[in-house]
Amino acid sequence: DAMVIQNPRYQVTQFGKPVTLSCSQTLNHNVMYWYQQKSSQAPKLLFHYYDKDFNNEADTPDNFQSRRPNTSFCFLDIRSPGLGDAAMYLCATSPPSGRASGETQYFGPGTRLLVL
Amino acid sequence: AQSVAQPEDQVNVAEGNPLTVKCTYSVSGNPYLFWYVQYPNRGLQFLLKYITGDNLVKGSYGFEAEFNKSQTSFHLKKPSALVSDSALYFCAVRDIEVQAGTALIFGKGTTLSVSS
Repeated sequence: DAMVIQNPRYQVTQFGKPVTLSCSQTLNHNVMYWYQQKSSQAPKLLFHYYDKDFNNEADTPDNFQSRRPNTSFCFLDIRSPGLGDAAMYLCATSPPSGRASGETQYFGPGTRLLVL
Repeated sequence: AQSVAQPEDQVNVAEGNPLTVKCTYSVSGNPYLFWYVQYPNRGLQFLLKYITGDNLVKGSYGFEAEFNKSQTSFHLKKPSALVSDSALYFCAVRDIEVQAGTALIFGKGTTLSVSS
């Protein structure tokens, strides 16, 4: 049973052409995250939503935006992709603080973005 | 500042032998500690976590980890390795004093290679 779904699994875009990656969840979790993972590196948080509250990491470039129209869906928009934005983009969800699950994050399979 | 160190880029072990993947952490308060596994071109899968209580934590697929506060370590172990355990392993930490939705801080990852 899929819990965190990311589409597409592979995305090819052109330098400077806007692209949107999508994530949906069936867990009804309050918190949704977007991570960027470059080759052979650890995932790095770009931003997260706590319900409708958007929280941007200080070093996330302005080129990266996000939308969360409802609990289930969250989108990552890259306004003008550069070659350096080629990476795996991971979506994750977690319940809010205080739950017994201890804020385990549940990851989707990722979308691998290629910029030509 | 919070940080996680995985001192080994790669661990090689023969099938059937015990394995250890090392992790040390640094947080200002009490930590939440996690291990995740990543197979090629896949998202991260949760293995286990330490929140509080028993220092020996048992997780998925026969893995366990021991929390050692004095040594600030959280090494991942398995008594008998399988070839199918070959993957990239990430240790992660977050400070429990920080509000929900804060990023997991990941180590750089350790590639486990199990030979038959």
